[in-house]
Amino acid sequence: GAVVSQHPSWVICKSGTSVKIECRSLDFQATTMFWYRQFPKQSLMLMATSNEGSKATYEQGVEKDKFLINHASLTLSTLTVTSAHPEDSSFYICSVRPVAGVHEQYFGPGTRLTVT
Amino acid sequence: DAKTTQPPSMDCAEGRAANLPCNHSTISGNEYVYWYRQIHSQGPQYIIHGLKNNETNEMASLIITEDRKSSTLILPHATLRDTAVYYCIVDGGATNKLIFGTGTLLAVQP
Repeated sequence: GAVVSQHPSWVICKSGTSVKIECRSLDFQATTMFWYRQFPKQSLMLMATSNEGSKATYEQGVEKDKFLINHASLTLSTLTVTSAHPEDSSFYICSVRPVAGVHEQYFGPGTRLTVT
Repeated sequence: DAKTTQPPSMDCAEGRAANLPCNHSTISGNEYVYWYRQIHSQGPQYIIHGLKNNETNEMASLIITEDRKSSTLILPHATLRDTAVYYCIVDGGATNKLIFGTGTLLAVQP
């Protein structure tokens, strides 16, 4: 399957600072990437759809001014958590849909964010 | 909201077949059934998908009932490394937005 990487794999930051998480598709170009958040012992929650060259589409209840998404190239999407607070501590995971017509999505290994 | 119902947990003995059920009684004609799994603290992994026919690949088999209202994922010879949360997802494929339910925690016992 396709390889998706995330960087960093874990990060600790202080409350009020911003954190950028990168998602890279290593062996194919992706016009669409997805960002999920997962709290401990809970399921994955879709946050937004990242579209290359255009604005991201956010799910209901997700603050777009707090979670900035940039999909500047066909292999890279970034999620910036702005003015992070302890309640933003979570596991952030991206996924990639290779091309239209391919059903499976490939997920990154996740980024563990802890805000102190 | 997730369109599927799965038991919260199951146990399986190592080497035996693991049969994971999923109910999707409101599935529509153009929606596929997808299975993913998530090993602890990792990103989910695609397993298999199907529309109405049974499917098999190197990881698992997917059995879909004739009315398509339920399905079963079969891991033919479970190993300890198959311990994970298994998610059954129904999606039409147009947007590819995967909405995860609560899944089934499969614990493979030695």
